[in-house]
Amino acid sequence: DAGVIQSPRHEVTEMGQEVTLRCKPISGHNSLFWYRQTMMRGLELLIYFNNNVPIDDSGMPEDRFSAKMPNASFSTLKIQPSEPRDSAVYFCASSQDRVYGYTFGSGTRLTVV
Amino acid sequence: AQKVTQAQTEISVVEKEDVTLDCVYETRDTTYYLFWYKQPPSGELVFLIRRNSFDEQNEISGRYSWNFQKSTSSFNFTITASQVVDSAVYFCALSEAEESGTYKYIFGTGTRLKVLA
Repeated sequence: DAGVIQSPRHEVTEMGQEVTLRCKPISGHNSLFWYRQTMMRGLELLIYFNNNVPIDDSGMPEDRFSAKMPNASFSTLKIQPSEPRDSAVYFCASSQDRVYGYTFGSGTRLTVV
Repeated sequence: AQKVTQAQTEISVVEKEDVTLDCVYETRDTTYYLFWYKQPPSGELVFLIRRNSFDEQNEISGRYSWNFQKSTSSFNFTITASQVVDSAVYFCALSEAEESGTYKYIFGTGTRLKVLA
């Protein structure tokens, strides 16, 4: 298995632009998680899905952030409009069962200028 | 509410020294799982170990060992004879069940380990 695949690896965009981050979980994993990592706040859980259904989005910072999981093999995290304070590394992770923990993707480093 | 505390923000040791990274957790559940992840300078997050709440046996894997003590709600990680390649940020995480029947993981703030040659 190729693991959790995130794209793009790096994204530089101007303030006000829409940004879409993509994630392909490991086949057979039924839970998917989006995290944001910054120096100030560490690893923050933004939202997670179970069987493609959003379960808890209380970590999504504001309405500018949205996430979807249209099927078991794909999820997106969208920021519209983007702001400089959104600059961070965004990780996607998937899991087949709470016993086994997560497998993380390589992350997307987002820079909003 | 569940919580994971890694009180050590940064630790520096000289190569070949032993080092212990502390992790203290809070949870209401009797069934839960604990994890350690490593984040090297390249940025990826690498799974190291999991432990369930019913298994208090210590575990050793090469130079790595983990000490789980329910009585003190701690899950500490020791690296023996540290090497420069061990330099990374190490995260402790806790998973417990949600009311929805699903689960999520809560991470500590991480401990940055610097191993000096």
